[in-house]
Amino acid sequence: GENVEQHPSTLSVQEGDSAVIKCTYSDSASNYFPWYKQELGKGPQLIIDIRSNVGEKKDQRIAVTLNKTAKHFSLHITETQPEDSAVYFCAASILPSTLGRLYFGRGTQLTVWP
Amino acid sequence: GAGVSQSPSNKVTEKGKDVELRCDPISGHTALYWYRQSLGQGLEFLIYFQGNSAPDKSGLPSDRFSAERTGGSVSTLTIQRTQQEDSAVYLCASSLAFAGGYNEQFFGPGTRLTVL
Repeated sequence: GENVEQHPSTLSVQEGDSAVIKCTYSDSASNYFPWYKQELGKGPQLIIDIRSNVGEKKDQRIAVTLNKTAKHFSLHITETQPEDSAVYFCAASILPSTLGRLYFGRGTQLTVWP
Repeated sequence: GAGVSQSPSNKVTEKGKDVELRCDPISGHTALYWYRQSLGQGLEFLIYFQGNSAPDKSGLPSDRFSAERTGGSVSTLTIQRTQQEDSAVYLCASSLAFAGGYNEQFFGPGTRLTVL
């Protein structure tokens, strides 16, 4: 099955700096890559996603890039704010054949210091 | 509207006891997923329901784990003869069908299970 690796496991940045989280996947058939943000005591929430026919997607301060050849994708957060502090998970899926099952990375604990 | 809800939010049980965890998905969502989140780990897929189709149980770690979904809505995850390694947060998610190759899963807040 699909294997998703995520790095780093922890990341500390100063408010206003950028943060980058990287993930790799093993199955070249994966075609859907969402990123989830999980705040303490809550379930994960989708913040951005990308499909394999797109190389980059941006939404205000967050962006995701995908390199299908290298099988890796990254989350970029610019102008970080303390409220960005949370655990971020990347995931991969093969739609529709795996029926939406998501394969998650182990998560990155992002801390933004004021 | 209302999101995915789960109950109880916390459950403490003794080793060997059975537990039931409940998930109420978003109304109209046909797909329902259960995941397990162990300390410091990512989310591990357990089981998937889609409409009236047979569930995908490929992620269940042992035959002590089972789940059902009644009337295409509420789902219950049952763990029999709980073990300490079952301690984790159990998350439920629901989604619409895969319109345009897109599948946003909406997660509930989870049930934290502690097996003593």
